[in-house]
Amino acid sequence: EAQVTQNPRYLITVTGKKLTVTCSQNMNHEYMSWYRQDPGLGLRQIYYSMNVEVTDKGDVPEGYKVSRKEKRNFPLILESPSPNQTSLYFCASRNSYRTGYTFGSGTRLTVV
Amino acid sequence: AQSVTQLDSHVSVSEGTPVLLRCNYSSSYSPSLFWYVQHPNKGLQLLLKYTSAATLVKGINGFEAEFKKSETSFHLTKPSAHMSDAAEYFCVVSDQNSNYQLIWGAGTKLIIKP
Repeated sequence: EAQVTQNPRYLITVTGKKLTVTCSQNMNHEYMSWYRQDPGLGLRQIYYSMNVEVTDKGDVPEGYKVSRKEKRNFPLILESPSPNQTSLYFCASRNSYRTGYTFGSGTRLTVV
Repeated sequence: AQSVTQLDSHVSVSEGTPVLLRCNYSSSYSPSLFWYVQHPNKGLQLLLKYTSAATLVKGINGFEAEFKKSETSFHLTKPSAHMSDAAEYFCVVSDQNSNYQLIWGAGTKLIIKP
């Protein structure tokens, strides 16, 4: 089944403890992206990648890192999480700008 | 700059009646337009997309949308609402000016009354 897989689905962590949210797609898509969704603020893009080893900042990149060493994987790294990074995170991939993104199921992160 | 305005934050309809969710966009170039749906505590699913082919686009679950360039609109419709349609709907635009990244509307919450 064609899909984007994120892990974990739920995560509670403490301020300053490094964490990684993994994202993997099995559709051979070139484009991948990370979004966060917050009540009243909608979806905001954190980082995106147009191909292996090519990443770019989105609208809210501060406090996040990404890497794209392989086409299928696009992990999101929080080096020192803070409470304002408590949010619902989505990974997504697409084949081209005309096809629309396929989204993962989301990761609900709480930083205390 | 591109933008997307979803004209209603909430829409409430009775089951079996038509649904209209309104979306206006601004774009300097030929846009691609999308509607996504998010059911409670679920991920985002692509409902339909317009990418410069037919202006009336049919999507999943009986939804359709019409691209009207003169009105810069891309309203989402369904002839008869079902209880399972209760969800939040997002209108999205993408074009060359945004490097083809998605510009999201704020969302419209669709409420279905029995």
